[in-house]
Amino acid sequence: DTGVSQDPRHKITKRGQNVTFRCDPISEHNRLYWYRQTLGQGPEFLTYFQNEAQLEKSRLLSDRFSAERPKGSFSTLEIQRTEQGDSAMYLCASSSRGASGNQETQYFGPGTRLLVL
Amino acid sequence: EDQVTQSPEALRLQEGESSSLNCSYTVSGLRGLFWYRQDPGKGPEFLFTLYSAGEEKEKERLKATLTKKESFLHITAPKPEDSATYLCAVHTNSNSGYALNFGKGTSLLVTP
Repeated sequence: DTGVSQDPRHKITKRGQNVTFRCDPISEHNRLYWYRQTLGQGPEFLTYFQNEAQLEKSRLLSDRFSAERPKGSFSTLEIQRTEQGDSAMYLCASSSRGASGNQETQYFGPGTRLLVL
Repeated sequence: EDQVTQSPEALRLQEGESSSLNCSYTVSGLRGLFWYRQDPGKGPEFLFTLYSAGEEKEKERLKATLTKKESFLHITAPKPEDSATYLCAVHTNSNSGYALNFGKGTSLLVTP
């Protein structure tokens, strides 16, 4: 257990419905990331937050996707009008600057597996 | 565009049979290379970070090394519990933020 939690762990929805996922990062981490992973592939970056500010979004993040991190704590990822191609594992990770200023390590949560029927 | 390629895609070893996994990269300025382990249905678990060519890190039966073009994850005398997918990821100068660029992974199966 890395200390990053995600809810729900599994979600089955029908095409066209909206879904929302939640991520609670490690408490002292100020950066939070969302990735998407499909079968046989590595995780693909979607977006990241530094505190409450969303600083980067991948071109994979279509207009149907929106992420928030109110108050710089937990984050939500919403997918509107889901499509079958949205079926994937959605992973959340968090990090903070290391003491030596070196590269930060991202610690991942268990993921939310989404199936769109 | 940054590229990360892992080989082999799948590897089957007998318990005790040592081997190496490869991660080759073509990037514009490497800032860090990461190895993660992922069990089925779970999130990636951090193993190592390497920053510069020549660097090595060890943890139990695993040893990660880095050159200017590739990284190896050496597994010595593996056990069945080492079975998992091993992911390599890079953070580079072309990432404006802190996004990691992952390879597709190597699926390792260790049989008794």
